[in-house]
Amino acid sequence: QIQLVQSGPELKKPGESVKISCKASGYTFTDYAMHWVKQAPGKGLKWMGWINTYTGKPTYADDFKGRFVFSLEASASTANLQISNLKNEDTATYFCARGNWFAYWGQGTLVTVSS
Amino acid sequence: DVVLTQTPPTLSATIGQSVSISCRSSQSLLDSDGDTYLNWLLQRPGQSPQLLIYSVSNLESGVPNRFSGSGSETDFTLKISGVEAEDLGVYYCMQATHAPLTFGSGTKLEIK
Repeated sequence: QIQLVQSGPELKKPGESVKISCKASGYTFTDYAMHWVKQAPGKGLKWMGWINTYTGKPTYADDFKGRFVFSLEASASTANLQISNLKNEDTATYFCARGNWFAYWGQGTLVTVSS
Repeated sequence: DVVLTQTPPTLSATIGQSVSISCRSSQSLLDSDGDTYLNWLLQRPGQSPQLLIYSVSNLESGVPNRFSGSGSETDFTLKISGVEAEDLGVYYCMQATHAPLTFGSGTKLEIK
């Protein structure tokens, strides 16, 4: 069955970096884009962008340009999200979701940024 | 960016009651390819979002047929015909016709 399994929760200090992984199984990884979605505590969903899993080309929403990097380990069917220079407002659960219809989601990774 | 306005923000229903959620878009979601990329998702407490409906009215595999979607261009509706206890959570509409993809602010369904 199709699954997206994300890495575990992270506790970081402001200014540090974090890398979240999303391992896909049950389908051909390069056949579908991978999207990233942010959900701040108690808030709604915000689309961060997506990565073309065939070419590796990332596309970022405006609010996520600069400190956010989408990458792949295609041989491991894994998509990664790296956030650098963490800020308190980056505290959120981050989800990966498979394109085209967002029919499959990872379980979410909680990143807590606190001094 | 496309703004999706969901109403009502909260909904309280008894088991068996039928309810509807509205999602209005600031722009037409009809794509140049003829499709309309408006989806409905349910996020149960403590869980990841789950796809219910895609392209306005197509029921995702495994989703009960008490869920239905309708609408066109800028006005869309999710209907639940006979609410069950497991339907509680937050419902989101989302559009993928225009970049950036956007989500509605959510409708919280509570069971009386």
